[in-house]
Amino acid sequence: GESVGLHLPTLSVQEGDNSIINCAYSNSASDYFIWYKQESGKGPQFIIDIRSNMDKRQGQRVTVLLNKTVKHLSLQIAATQPGDSAVYFCAEKDSGYSTLTFGKGTMLLVSP
Amino acid sequence: GAVVSQHPSWVICKSGTSVKIECRSLDFQATTMFWYRQFPKQSLMLMATSNEGSKATYEQGVEKDKFLINHASLTLSTLTVTSAHPEDSSFYICSAPRTNTEAFFGQGTRLTVV
Repeated sequence: GESVGLHLPTLSVQEGDNSIINCAYSNSASDYFIWYKQESGKGPQFIIDIRSNMDKRQGQRVTVLLNKTVKHLSLQIAATQPGDSAVYFCAEKDSGYSTLTFGKGTMLLVSP
Repeated sequence: GAVVSQHPSWVICKSGTSVKIECRSLDFQATTMFWYRQFPKQSLMLMATSNEGSKATYEQGVEKDKFLINHASLTLSTLTVTSAHPEDSSFYICSAPRTNTEAFFGQGTRLTVV
């Protein structure tokens, strides 16, 4: 869903469902994208990345899709588990620069 | 695997005092490290880029005299919040890139100023 004010959009799913988390990025020059998982009170953890010359990349239970035309990134988590509950951030990077720009984040809540 | 260690994980300090946060890359050298600030239910906001052996680069709106950054070695960057006030209470996170695309984050530091 859309973020309202300072509140993170939340996705609530049942254990075993597939989850899809979306992200719109802003810089058309970005050529590298990463998904991070952040659990409460911890730093972000790398999940999966994708370069702009690809439109799909799969990892273990996760898939990232990139649509450069509309500047959209998605993270699909298969067979979501309670341990997947966290805030998920997309980040974009222009290889000409060293800094990452983070998206707003989505909170994923998985019910047993 | 590569690890970035951040210390302390939490700190409570009195208003007006200074707090130092350390960020170490444990098994790789990092000429550049990044410091972020994160408010509850919000994303990470880049505060500054720490450069080994030279001055840090601060993002617009970040007071360099308030948030002192020192990157004295290839494995250590420190962020000092000077004359802390309650509005400085936040979650501070550092990051160190091992390659042009591979970045690792510290565990974060929860700062509470009372």
